[in-house]
Parts: sequence; structure tokens; C-alpha cells
Amino acid sequence: LAKTTQPISMDSYEGQEVNITCSHNNIATNDYITWYQQFPSQGPRFIIQGYKTKVTNEVASLFIPADRKSSTLSLPRVSLSDTAVYYCLVGDIFMGRRALTFGSGTRLQVQP
Amino acid sequence: DSGVTQTPKHLITATGQRVTLRCSPRSGDLSVYWYQQSLDQGLQFLIQYYNGEERAKGNILERFSAQQFPDLHSELNLSSLELGDSALYFCASSVALGLENDEQFFGPGTRLTVL
Repeated sequence: LAKTTQPISMDSYEGQEVNITCSHNNIATNDYITWYQQFPSQGPRFIIQGYKTKVTNEVASLFIPADRKSSTLSLPRVSLSDTAVYYCLVGDIFMGRRALTFGSGTRLQVQP
Repeated sequence: DSGVTQTPKHLITATGQRVTLRCSPRSGDLSVYWYQQSLDQGLQFLIQYYNGEERAKGNILERFSAQQFPDLHSELNLSSLELGDSALYFCASSVALGLENDEQFFGPGTRLTVL
């Protein structure tokens, strides 16, 4: 089964850039890499998705090297409200079909 | 607001009982997913339906079952409840077949407490 590995937790301060790296050594050729954000007692929320190189949107950037065995979510100038759990997802196999699987995620704590 | 609704918001019941959780997907979404999240744990994928048919099954216990109705709402049935079933249950929906590239929109969850 395809699995992802992320740091369990990270600490940062307001205004800093935060980079969360995810390892996905068994990523399939047609898999995209997707990141979700989850606040306590809320459902996850889509942040960004990419296939290769770099993707940027209004909240984050996603860097994917050529071998695609890892990816890095970059959050510019974090604020206290960015304190959350961040999940990196790639495809997995269920009943012979591909679907997304969430790992344990990275718990980001932003301090003032 | 993701557009996905779940009822009830909270549910307290006793061991051995059976409960039904309900989910209404976003308008136009054909795929519904169910996830379980125990305290301080990641989300465990349970099952996915697409347009009324079961498409993928994850770590779902035999005591649990689900279905998606013609109006696309879905129900997750949990029976012979155990203390360990206490968790947040999330429903998510997406537009298409549920390929891994499809963005999922999550509901607010149902918090189940088994006493």
C-alpha cells in the first residue's frame, strides 16, 4: 500500500515561513499529491494539489522534485490561525481501486 | 461552509446499540466518503460510494455498513457498538468518480460517544 511519512509535529512563530515535507516513496505514476488542513473538531479542508515541479495558490506553495518521492508544503508568513494538522495524501488501493488515504498528519503549532 | 451536511452533530448511546449517521453531499457531487477519526488520530477511510454504488472499501468493520440512496444522500450504520467506536465520523463528497485527484469536501462531522 502506498504510504506517506510526515513529521509528527512542528513548531513555528508568527510571520515565519513553514515547510512541511512528506515522503511518498511508492507514489504511482499517475498519482497526484494533495494536502489538507484540519482544525480541531472540524473536517479537513483542501489546501493544494500538484503533480510535479511547483504549484502555488493564494495560501500555499507545493514543491515536488523530479523523482516525486517527496513533496514540501510551504506556508508563507504563518499566523496563529495556521495552527492545525496538515495531511499529505497520495493514492492507495482499496478493493483494487485507487482512493486517498490520510496518514497521521503533521501537527503545526504557531506561537506568537 | 463546505456544503456537506451531517446529522446528528452529537450522538450518545450505550454499548451494544445501533445508530445511523446521515450525510447529504454538496449539490451535484456523486461521490460520498465516510471516515472515522478517533481521539488524536488521523482519519481512517471507511468506505466510498459513487452514484449509489459501493466503489471502495477501507478499514470498515463488519459491524458497520453504509449505503447511498437515489437522492445521493448516504447513511452509515453502526451496530453492536463498543466503547472503542467512540469517535468523530466525517462524511465527504466529491464531484466525480473519486479518483485520487478529486478534491473532497468534508462535512462538520458527527461525534459519537459510546458509554
